[in-house]
Amino acid sequence: KAGVTQTPRYLIKTRGQQVTLSCSPISGHRSVSWYQQTPGQGLQFLFEYFSETQRNKGNFPGRFSGRQFSNSRSEMNVSTLELGDSALYLCASSQSAGAMETQYFGPGTRLLVL
Amino acid sequence: AQKITQTQPGMFVQEKEAVTLDCTYDTSDQSYGLFWYKQPSSGEMIFLIYQGSYDEQNATEGRYSLNFQKARKSANLVISASQLGDSAMYFCAMREGQGNAGNMLTFGGGTRLMVKP
Repeated sequence: KAGVTQTPRYLIKTRGQQVTLSCSPISGHRSVSWYQQTPGQGLQFLFEYFSETQRNKGNFPGRFSGRQFSNSRSEMNVSTLELGDSALYLCASSQSAGAMETQYFGPGTRLLVL
Repeated sequence: AQKITQTQPGMFVQEKEAVTLDCTYDTSDQSYGLFWYKQPSSGEMIFLIYQGSYDEQNATEGRYSLNFQKARKSANLVISASQLGDSAMYFCAMREGQGNAGNMLTFGGGTRLMVKP
């Protein structure tokens, strides 16, 4: 099976712009989670989608949003970009949302905000 | 309070030797899962090994084993016979809750492992 794919891999934006990142989960996986990784804050959970519904949301401002489509592909959007949004954004998928499910990560999207 | 603590920011190990990466966790849940991931410089998080809170035996996956001490709330990763390709960041992570409580992983700060030839 193909792994989790994320597009684009690299992105440069300027402050105030908005950005949309895409994630395609492993075939058959219905749960998609997003994480932000920065040198200062480490890995932080953004949100999780399962069957097109947001199940959990981390402690991020409303500028961060996401959605999931019927084919389980997910997008996250960040509006009004700030310098601090520069980060590696990782998407992970799992078959379901059970406590023992392993999440498999994609290669990430590196976002640089200038 | 930190839910996942990795006290070793960086470690060196000689090639072919074994190394232990420390992880302690904090939870009041009875049901939880502990995971270790490897992150090379490319950025991708690679799943290594999983231990469930109800598993009585330590998990093993090839050269990776998890030293699970529930009473001490520790889940140390042991890598046997280190290889140069093991040089990377290693993250310990936990998911709490039962059933379909959601998939949120809480990560530790990571340990950078460097394997010396």
